[in-house]
Amino acid sequence: NAGVTQTPKFRVLKTGQSMTLLCAQDMNHEYMYWYRQDPGMGLRLIHYSVGEGTTAKGEVPDGYNVSRLKKQNFLLGLESAAPSQTSVYFCASSYSSGGAGTQYFGPGTRLTVL
Amino acid sequence: GENVEQHPSTLSVQEGDSAVIKCTYSDSASNYFPWYKQELGKGPQLIIDIRSNVGEKKDQRIAVTLNKTAKHFSLHITETQPEDSAVYFCAASKGKDGNKLVFGAGTILRVKS
Repeated sequence: NAGVTQTPKFRVLKTGQSMTLLCAQDMNHEYMYWYRQDPGMGLRLIHYSVGEGTTAKGEVPDGYNVSRLKKQNFLLGLESAAPSQTSVYFCASSYSSGGAGTQYFGPGTRLTVL
Repeated sequence: GENVEQHPSTLSVQEGDSAVIKCTYSDSASNYFPWYKQELGKGPQLIIDIRSNVGEKKDQRIAVTLNKTAKHFSLHITETQPEDSAVYFCAASKGKDGNKLVFGAGTILRVKS
């Protein structure tokens, strides 16, 4: 049982390049989330999903897109990276009920945009 | 929307002393309040949580208290140890719309031995 895994762990991009971050969970959770973490600002929700095939915007969605084609995977895309997107990105997942609210986090992806 | 404020931003204590971190929230509809611990280079990990129908919860050296009237909740760590050094985040959720969490800015706790 690996929990929540994220790929890649580190990435350096040039301004304007695109990339996709992959999140996978093996806990059969219905809900999945993408956050970014910046110094002094805690974790801010980018997008989230309440089930396969569904996505919704969080607090800071601009410049990002997501897809949830399979229940266990949640992809975060940057179509045209900007230096302001330099951050640490965390994926999380949770049950929809029966202990709902507890989110389990992955190890993070450190992204630098030059 | 919900706003969560967390204080202090940094906290240094001597090993064996107690540490208290406080958070306030703005939305009275919030009903779930978790605390996460984040060690260097790792993702946040849940250490304790409390729901709005409970005023206090304890797990060994860690306790959380909730004051719904004042809209604040606190994390208490007793008999601190060097391995307690980490960043701690509080969060709040209304338990609907995807169980979204709103996080505080975090507290860096340093336990000096």
